[in-house]
Amino acid sequence: DAGVIQSPRHEVTEMGQEVTLRCKPISGHNSLFWYRQTMMRGLELLIYFNNNVPIDDSGMPEDRFSAKMPNASFSTLKIQPSEPRDSAVYFCASSLRGPSSGNTIYFGEGSWLTVV
Amino acid sequence: AQSVTQLGSHVSVSEGALVLLRCNYSSSVPPYLFWYVQYPNQGLQLLLKYTTGATLVKGINGFEAEFKKSETSFHLTKPSAHMSDAAEYFCAVSDNQGGKLIFGQGTELSVKP
Repeated sequence: DAGVIQSPRHEVTEMGQEVTLRCKPISGHNSLFWYRQTMMRGLELLIYFNNNVPIDDSGMPEDRFSAKMPNASFSTLKIQPSEPRDSAVYFCASSLRGPSSGNTIYFGEGSWLTVV
Repeated sequence: AQSVTQLGSHVSVSEGALVLLRCNYSSSVPPYLFWYVQYPNQGLQLLLKYTTGATLVKGINGFEAEFKKSETSFHLTKPSAHMSDAAEYFCAVSDNQGGKLIFGQGTELSVKP
């Protein structure tokens, strides 16, 4: 079975450019999560969706970050304009009904973003 | 608010020795607890989880963890370390209300031959 699919796997971009990260969750999963991982801050939840609706975006760092989920099989995380401090690994994850039901969250392989 | 504290950012053991990775949590409601493993340049993979029922939970690769409510702990153990266990391990907590999964800072496990 296909897991969570993220693209691109690696991206290097210049400061000020727009970055779009893409995610395809596991088919049938209703909850989707975007996490960011850095050495300094560890794993941070940026936003999560339930049935394509954003439930909690309190982790989104600032207005430069936005996330959308136009349908059950696709989500994007956009950074505009990008800054060097945005360099991190961005993980997309999905689950059947969210961890509040004890459901397992399945992670993608991550998108490694470097902003120079 | 929920939180997770992993004691020790780095643990080193010899091959064949006991592995003990410590995790303490804070939650105002009965928690769901998870351990994930991350190998270099990969995503996170579930090792095991506790939701309800038996407090000793067995996971993949010979790992197990015990939920101790009185100690607010969920330590991860493995009787005999293998070189392939070298990775970063994350403890995480979720409640039955909010839907968030909150991760600890992670513990990097090194296994010496």
